Amino acid sequence: AQKITQTQPGMFVQEKEAVTLDCTYDTSDPSYGLFWYKQPSSGEMIFLIYQGSYDQQNATEGRYSLNFQKARKSANLVISASQLGDSAMYFCAMREGLGDDKIIFGKGTRLHILP
Amino acid sequence: DSGVTQTPKHLITATGQRVTLRCSPRSGDLSVYWYQQSLDQGLQFLIQYYNGEERAKGNILERFSAQQFPDLHSELNLSSLELGDSALYFCASSVEPSMPTNEKLFFGSGTQLSVL
Repeated sequence: AQKITQTQPGMFVQEKEAVTLDCTYDTSDPSYGLFWYKQPSSGEMIFLIYQGSYDQQNATEGRYSLNFQKARKSANLVISASQLGDSAMYFCAMREGLGDDKIIFGKGTRLHILP
Repeated sequence: DSGVTQTPKHLITATGQRVTLRCSPRSGDLSVYWYQQSLDQGLQFLIQYYNGEERAKGNILERFSAQQFPDLHSELNLSSLELGDSALYFCASSVEPSMPTNEKLFFGSGTQLSVL
């Protein structure tokens, strides 16, 4: 069963608009962490933001924020004031706290920012 | 620069051959992860090593094997290669296993494998 689901294969957004990239996850583990990574066309994987399952507040890192809705098992990435350089592939990922500690990735969303 | 070094950057080989991908983790990181990224499958977790020992295994084929050496570098060996093994192979490292869960992965730039 898919543990991380990203339902938007691709998105087109006008520059300077806010963007929300969807991510839902599936776990029965009470302790887990959620990550977002960016992969530009150059191919490297860049860490953006982290949210822990016990964190009371939504994580923020500059223009990135994570809309964490625990009951819905959703961890959407919000990018404010999008820029052309935000065009990339975005991956949601999860690490569960018990058992092994592999990080499982979703299939990604390709974001295109239009000038 | 993440500090994780992968070599080679590109590898072109033929079906049936065997290749070795190499990864040097960030200084101080004890844990190494291998991922395969193909167009239709996203990032697939293959295997993780911590301080020389296998810690977690994902959907790694029997034709694939890995190890982590005493100096903490890791190698991923792919044998009897098939066309479908063509992919971008990433190595990532972190300080130690997850307790707490917020240890993020630092990724290398990947090895692009093309099997012809």
